[in-house]
Amino acid sequence: DSGVTQTPKHLITATGQRVTLRCSPRSGDLSVYWYQQSLDQGLQFLIQYYNGEERAKGNILERFSAQQFPDLHSELNLSSLELGDSALYFCASSPQPESYEQYFGPGTRLTVT
Amino acid sequence: QQPVQSPQAVILREGEDAVINCSSSKALYSVHWYRQKHGEAPVFLMILLKGGEQKGHEKISASFNEKKQQSSLYLTASQLSYSGTYFCGTESSNYQLIWGAGTKLIIKP
Repeated sequence: DSGVTQTPKHLITATGQRVTLRCSPRSGDLSVYWYQQSLDQGLQFLIQYYNGEERAKGNILERFSAQQFPDLHSELNLSSLELGDSALYFCASSPQPESYEQYFGPGTRLTVT
Repeated sequence: QQPVQSPQAVILREGEDAVINCSSSKALYSVHWYRQKHGEAPVFLMILLKGGEQKGHEKISASFNEKKQQSSLYLTASQLSYSGTYFCGTESSNYQLIWGAGTKLIIKP
């Protein structure tokens, strides 16, 4: 158990809908990362927050947005969902924003039908 | 730019050794290694920092050639539990971690 929690574990929704994925980092970790992993593919970095502020942006679509709240939990919002958005979404946390190990949550499996 | 991992996949017998390579075209500040088992989250193995510092598991060894922008992960006397996909992540001057496509390792008894 990494100490990072993600909810929900599974999400099935229709195209065009909007969903919110939630992540609680390990106690004391200030940095949160979001990743997308399509079936049997590598990890695609989406976005990173550090202590409430956006730190780095990867290949995140304009339909996706995220934020980190004062209590350090983070939410990833996906809107106007398409079939291709079906994937495993991981959240990870680390104590500092760079050069530290990342602890991954169990992931949220999103299926868009 | 995504680092290149090689090989893409490797099949070993229990007890054999393996080397997984990670190569970047950019100057690197650090290299990170993670293992992911099927259906699970990636798990941290090691970080190798510019200047020689390493942080990670005692049973895992790796090297980082800063000049060649390459890193290698050494798995010796492999066990069944080593099976999974190994990802390297490279960190450059902007400190953003870019992940390789992964190397699939299958250990057979």
